[in-house]
Amino acid sequence: GNSVTQMEGPVTLSEEAFLTINCTYTATGYPSLFWYVQYPGEGLQLLLKATKADDKGSNKGFEATYRKETTSFHLEKGSVQVSDSAVYFCALDSSGNTPLVFGKGTRLSVIA
Amino acid sequence: DTGVSQDPRHKITKRGQNVTFRCDPISEHNRLYWYRQTLGQGPEFLTYFQNEAQLEKSRLLSDRFSAERPKGSFSTLEIQRTEQGDSAMYLCASTRGVEQYFGPGTRLTVT
Repeated sequence: GNSVTQMEGPVTLSEEAFLTINCTYTATGYPSLFWYVQYPGEGLQLLLKATKADDKGSNKGFEATYRKETTSFHLEKGSVQVSDSAVYFCALDSSGNTPLVFGKGTRLSVIA
Repeated sequence: DTGVSQDPRHKITKRGQNVTFRCDPISEHNRLYWYRQTLGQGPEFLTYFQNEAQLEKSRLLSDRFSAERPKGSFSTLEIQRTEQGDSAMYLCASTRGVEQYFGPGTRLTVT
C-alpha cells in the first residue's frame, strides 16, 4: 500500500541554520506530494505541494522537489527562524483528490 | 473567516458514552474528509464524502463509528460506546481540488 516515511525528530536547530527534513514515499502511479505544518495549538496548514515529477513546491522560504527516481520529497529551508518551530508532516495523495497518507511528523525546535 | 470549522474543540467523556462532532467545511467544497490523529502520529484517514455520498470508509472505522453529511454541507461524526482507545484528535478537511484544508480539530478524551 501507499506509505510515507519521514526522518524522526525532534530536530533542534539554532536560528539561521539550514534545515532538511527527509521524506520518502511508496506509491503506485503518480502521486501528488505535500508538506503540512502544525504550529503549537493550531490545525494543519498546507505549506507547499508538488503534483508531478521534478516540480518544486515553495512557500515562506521552504522548498521541496518531487524526485520520482528516488521517491523523495525532502523539505529544505536555508535559514530557519524561531517562528518555524512546529511539527512538519509529509503526505501523499495517490491519485488526485483522494484521502491523504501522512508520515508520522517531524518536530522542529529552533532556538535563538 | 471562511475556513473549516469544527465543534466542539474539546470533549471529555466517560467510557461508554456517545459523542458527536460537527464539521463545517469551506462553502463550495464538495469533498469532506475525516481523519484521526493520536499523539506522536500523523493523521490517519477515517472516511470521506463527495457531496452527501459517503465514498470510502477506513478499516479504522469500527461499527461504533458513523458519519453523515445529510445535505452535502456540514458533516457529523458519532462515536457510540466510547472506549479509552478512542482518545485522539479528530480532524476534518475539505476540498474541491487537490489541496485539502483542515479544521482546528476536536480533541476527545475518554476517561
